[in-house]
Amino acid sequence: KNEVEQSPQNLTAQEGEFITINCSYSVGISALHWLQQHPGGGIVSLFMLSSGKKKHGRLIATINIQEKHSSLHITASHPRDSAVYICAVCGGSNYKLTFGKGTLLTVNP
Amino acid sequence: GAGVSQSPSNKVTEKGKDVELRCDPISGHTALYWYRQSLGQGLEFLIYFQGNSAPDKSGLPSDRFSAERTGGSVSTLTIQRTQQEDSAVYLCASSATGVLMNTEAFFGQGTRLTVV
Repeated sequence: KNEVEQSPQNLTAQEGEFITINCSYSVGISALHWLQQHPGGGIVSLFMLSSGKKKHGRLIATINIQEKHSSLHITASHPRDSAVYICAVCGGSNYKLTFGKGTLLTVNP
Repeated sequence: GAGVSQSPSNKVTEKGKDVELRCDPISGHTALYWYRQSLGQGLEFLIYFQGNSAPDKSGLPSDRFSAERTGGSVSTLTIQRTQQEDSAVYLCASSATGVLMNTEAFFGQGTRLTVV
């Protein structure tokens, strides 16, 4: 079993829909990162959180440390949100991230 | 520079040849990381640099892989005697400190390596 599990693996939505991507982890962590990877490879950091909730534009990230679970929400989804969303946790070593396999999101117009 | 820069962006090499992949981190970032992303797999940690030192190289898959960093800046990942299973996207990232519990990591665009 991977230390970081994401669901769903693939998600197709219509423009305007509310999107939720889930991340569960099995180890103690100090922080969790949500990353976005567009076709072509570039990875952008969306959020870094260790408790509670963060919001940036149409993106919201939440984390429940007790339940070892985080969610990434996208409100009013748009085709430009189509990308792979990756959850990564910072655990025993402060410098080392353990990554989920990613969720491929496709938003159709 | 403005961001993390990697070169080349694509590399096709013959099995058995050596390759060098380059990473220019964000100026002033002391921490530098190399990751590998194979098809259908999550990112895999390879090595971590703090300054010019590599306190953790535990992710390097074999002794054919090596990396160095000079001047606290540019890093080179070298793969000797490449094998087909080395085909992957190699990503470099840097951060202001090596404490990713409170510091964002910035990623390069990656080098797509294909071994034929």
